[in-house]
Amino acid sequence: SQTIHQWPATLVQPVGSPLSLECTVEGTSNPNLYWYRQAAGRGLQLLFYSVGIGQISSEVPQNLSASRPQDRQFILSSKKLLLSDSGFYLCAWSFGGLRSGNTIYFGEGSWLTVV
Amino acid sequence: AQTVTQSQPEMSVQEAETVTLSCTYDTSESNYYLFWYKQPPSRQMILVIRQEAYKQQNATENRFSVNFQKAAKSFSLKISDSQLGDTAMYFCAFMSISGNTGKLIFGQGTTLQVKP
Repeated sequence: SQTIHQWPATLVQPVGSPLSLECTVEGTSNPNLYWYRQAAGRGLQLLFYSVGIGQISSEVPQNLSASRPQDRQFILSSKKLLLSDSGFYLCAWSFGGLRSGNTIYFGEGSWLTVV
Repeated sequence: AQTVTQSQPEMSVQEAETVTLSCTYDTSESNYYLFWYKQPPSRQMILVIRQEAYKQQNATENRFSVNFQKAAKSFSLKISDSQLGDTAMYFCAFMSISGNTGKLIFGQGTTLQVKP
């Protein structure tokens, strides 16, 4: 079976500091990978998605970037955090390939507080 | 652009009773996917049920079922025999069939409390 792990679970960072959230998927190869952000009490917004190593698409221009250095590893980064970057970040995966509509499975999420 | 609307911010139900959560959406596409996700206090998003728009039959998963009305663009979730563990925030979500972005468009969510 497939599993997804995301860390750290909680992070408090000062404004202007860098960020790195990591996510790995086990039990499948060539998954589609995603980073979503959830504002307080609201639904999720897609930030980045990746269909393969080194292939990153951004949905929302922002202070964040994503990288996929390995097939099942997805990293969310920032060089200098802003207060507005605070939120709940979820990594997610789905089976890869050209077929659309694959169910998306989420990790445990990471709470980021920028102070 | 597609939108998803959940008009019930909060709902409550007695344990063992049945509750229905509402969701409407707007799209010009004829084929797409709809989902209900559950987010308990742990904050992890858990898939509850999925519906393909080209299927007329309503999806069911144990105590969870949907009423999919394509013409009305309505996708409600029925929870039967509610359990305390069903207490969570429930999100309705839409996924376009075009492309392969995995972009889920979420509603604002409905907080469900199951009372003993």
